Amino acid sequence: KAGVTQTPRYLIKTRGQQVTLSCSPISGHRSVSWYQQTPGQGLQFLFEYFSETQRNKGNFPGRFSGRQFSNSRSEMNVSTLELGDSALYLCASSLTNPGLTNYGYTFGSGTRLTVV
Amino acid sequence: DAKTTQPPSMDCAEGRAANLPCNHSTISGNEYVYWYRQIHSQGPQYIIHGLKNNETNEMASLIITEDRKSSTLILPHATLRDTAVYYCIVRPRGTGNQFYFGTGTSLTVIP
Repeated sequence: KAGVTQTPRYLIKTRGQQVTLSCSPISGHRSVSWYQQTPGQGLQFLFEYFSETQRNKGNFPGRFSGRQFSNSRSEMNVSTLELGDSALYLCASSLTNPGLTNYGYTFGSGTRLTVV
Repeated sequence: DAKTTQPPSMDCAEGRAANLPCNHSTISGNEYVYWYRQIHSQGPQYIIHGLKNNETNEMASLIITEDRKSSTLILPHATLRDTAVYYCIVRPRGTGNQFYFGTGTSLTVIP
């Protein structure tokens, strides 16, 4: 079956613009999490959605937001882009309610965002 | 979450076993140990996880010490495709999917 699909794969934006990234989880998966990866900070948790509800949020400014649709697809938005937002943004999905499982979850290949 | 300590880098000869250590001396009773790896420019890949018993799957084995303060991930016959950054993570059950990845161990498999 298809894995986690993230679009676009690469993106270049200018400071001050906004951007929307998309994630389609594995079919049947209801939980979607987002991570930011930079060389300096490593992998950092952004937020997690389950059944269209945000369950958990990392320590990022309000410029970072997300949502999940009824088909479990998720989007994240970054407004007023800064140079420091340049990163690989990773989406991960898992099958069940994340509070009830110990299973690992599946990552997509990410969207590489460059802010110039 | 409990913090983990991993060596920043390791080398392993192709075909040999790669033993990647992880220290999690502050782990509590309900925290699981997870291992993920990330090959350059790809998303992290789940390898294995365990609570207190040793675990084995088609990718690797996980050995957890009796006091649970450390663990070792074993790749029994390393190949060049196993070159990656390996992350050891501890996470309590029931806290959702928030993982703290740390800096990991960069494993290089040498031909």
